[in-house]
Amino acid sequence: DTAVSQTPKYLVTQMGNDKSIKCEQNLGHDTMYWYKQDSKKFLKIMFSYNNKELIINETVPNRFSPKSPDKAHLNLHINSLELGDSAVYFCASSPGPTLLGSPLHFGNGTRLTVT
Amino acid sequence: GENVEQHPSTLSVQEGDSAVIKCTYSDSASNYFPWYKQELGKGPQLIIDIRSNVGEKKDQRIAVTLNKTAKHFSLHITETQPEDSAVYFCAASRERANYGGSQGNLIFGKGTKLSVKP
Repeated sequence: DTAVSQTPKYLVTQMGNDKSIKCEQNLGHDTMYWYKQDSKKFLKIMFSYNNKELIINETVPNRFSPKSPDKAHLNLHINSLELGDSAVYFCASSPGPTLLGSPLHFGNGTRLTVT
Repeated sequence: GENVEQHPSTLSVQEGDSAVIKCTYSDSASNYFPWYKQELGKGPQLIIDIRSNVGEKKDQRIAVTLNKTAKHFSLHITETQPEDSAVYFCAASRERANYGGSQGNLIFGKGTKLSVKP
């Protein structure tokens, strides 16, 4: 059983296109996240949702729009893709925000390549 | 905001040797310090964490130490094995119970690529 699953695993697309990445967790967690990992392996948070409500929105271009239809799903839609968007995008989840010190559970990532 | 520096960026050791990775942080209010291991093609996975009310924590071959005064913390892996080869990330956060989760403001170091040679 995969705890945090994201699809697709690989995504190759051209500049200007719009694409989505889907994420689902079966851990019963209340909080979900999107992280971006660049070519140098640097991990940076993009968004965080708690019970479908956006609670963290870092400095990310508004071409990126997260959507959480329910607390088990957090999708990421990217408009007008640019070369600099190429990276690995990780979805993660954790128990609710008041459960301090609980680990993040990461998916295996989606490698996005914009050509 | 918080800034986490991690050193070294790469580390190569012989099997059986010890490996030490060091991190410093800038926000004196940070009080939660997890370490994650990322294997090739996978997402990071928590291996050990420590809170500011504890100076050291061990789990089998892995230990983490924390010096709050100096604002640095370290990961120690003893008797390294080839399967320890991976990228290791330290992170720091200020636990805020009602906003963003304990992980919501987790700031990661830039990672250390550990290679254990058989």
